[in-house]
Parts: sequence; structure tokens; C-alpha cells
Amino acid sequence: DTEVTQTPKHLVMGMTNKKSLKCEQHMGHRAMYWYKQKAKKPPELMFVYSYEKLSINESVPSRFSPECPNSSLLNLHLHALQPEDSALYLCASSQVSTGYNEQFFGPGTRLTVL
Amino acid sequence: AQKITQTQPGMFVQEKEAVTLDCTYDTSDQSYGLFWYKQPSSGEMIFLIYQGSYDEQNATEGRYSLNFQKARKSANLVISASQLGDSAMYFCAMREGRTGGFKTIFGAGTRLFVKA
Repeated sequence: DTEVTQTPKHLVMGMTNKKSLKCEQHMGHRAMYWYKQKAKKPPELMFVYSYEKLSINESVPSRFSPECPNSSLLNLHLHALQPEDSALYLCASSQVSTGYNEQFFGPGTRLTVL
Repeated sequence: AQKITQTQPGMFVQEKEAVTLDCTYDTSDQSYGLFWYKQPSSGEMIFLIYQGSYDEQNATEGRYSLNFQKARKSANLVISASQLGDSAMYFCAMREGRTGGFKTIFGAGTRLFVKA
């Protein structure tokens, strides 16, 4: 199974809402990532979890709160977002080992903040 | 500072012809990995091919090959026998360092259009 799944595919939320994005992989990968991608731009790294511990936070505003409940799941909790947070949110996973391991990406969640 | 440059915002290619997408990189590390990803309009990033900085041979994966010129710091993607399904955005990316190098730097991307 070389698939990373993300739910929901689309999400529309108001600025006062609380919502969560979910990501799941069953490839045994111990590194998981959240990226934000605006239209016609490359993905921007937000967070990295390694062995279920937060390894990298790229100075992301606190209205984004990541969570890694186990080695297969990654969540991104959203609260009090701004319209400029509207984007495609991509989850990825990879092995943690010597060498350079390709990341496997999910299909993304298209988020619209009204 | 590490940097990836893709100078072609858009490229057109006739179906069944070969096309080269350019990528240059800048790093002070001796050890790094180079990747190409494809992103169709659906949004999913699809891994295509990988080249390690110490690999002496150019990487190949089916119709994809990576033309790696280390001295020139270039890692161009060659797609042979283009198909309509190859129309997508293509990103060149780099990782520095060895174990634990989680940060991937992406180029701006090249939009490829395959004409029938």
C-alpha cells in the first residue's frame, strides 16, 4: 500500500469555525509532513513529525495546530483562520533512514476560508 | 543558502516527442538528493525520479530520465515519448544533509502542456 489518504477533499469554513484535516498512511513511514500550497506556487513546509514527535515547525501561526496521535495518523486542527489561509493543504510521509527518501503525498484538502 | 531554480514557467511539446525541463540548484553541501515531482490539476504530488549527489549514473525511471551535471549544478528532467497525460506542473526539489534531512526545497515549477 503506497497511498497517503487525506480527508476531507474540500473544506469551506468561516473565520470563527474549528475544523480538522486528517491524513493517514500505512506504509510504515515514521516521518509525516504538512505543506501549504497556494495556487501556482510550490508547496511550503509547515510541520514535520518524526517518530510521532514534532521535529520542525516553520514558524506557523498558532491558529494551525498539528497532532500526531500515532505512527499512521496526522491531524491539522484549524481555528480562527483568515481568508489568506485558503489554500491546498498537502500531507506527505517518508521513511526516516540514511540516504534521501522520497516523500509520498496525499491528494490534498482544498480549504476555503470565508 | 540552498536554492532551486526552474526558469521555464511553461513548456509546450507535441505528443510522442521528448521534452527537457530545466532545473539548476545551489548548495554548499556535498551530500544532497534531487527529486522531480509531477502535480496534475487534481493536486496530488507524484514522485517521479531521484538522483543522489554521489550517484555516478543518471537516474532513469521508465520514460523519465534525469540529466545530472554536477559541475554545472543542473538536474534536468527528460520525458521521452510525451503523452497527453503528462500535462501537469512539474517541480524540481532538493534535500540536503543525511539522516534527518527533512526539509525539501522546491523550485517554482514548470507547467507542461502536451499537444495532440
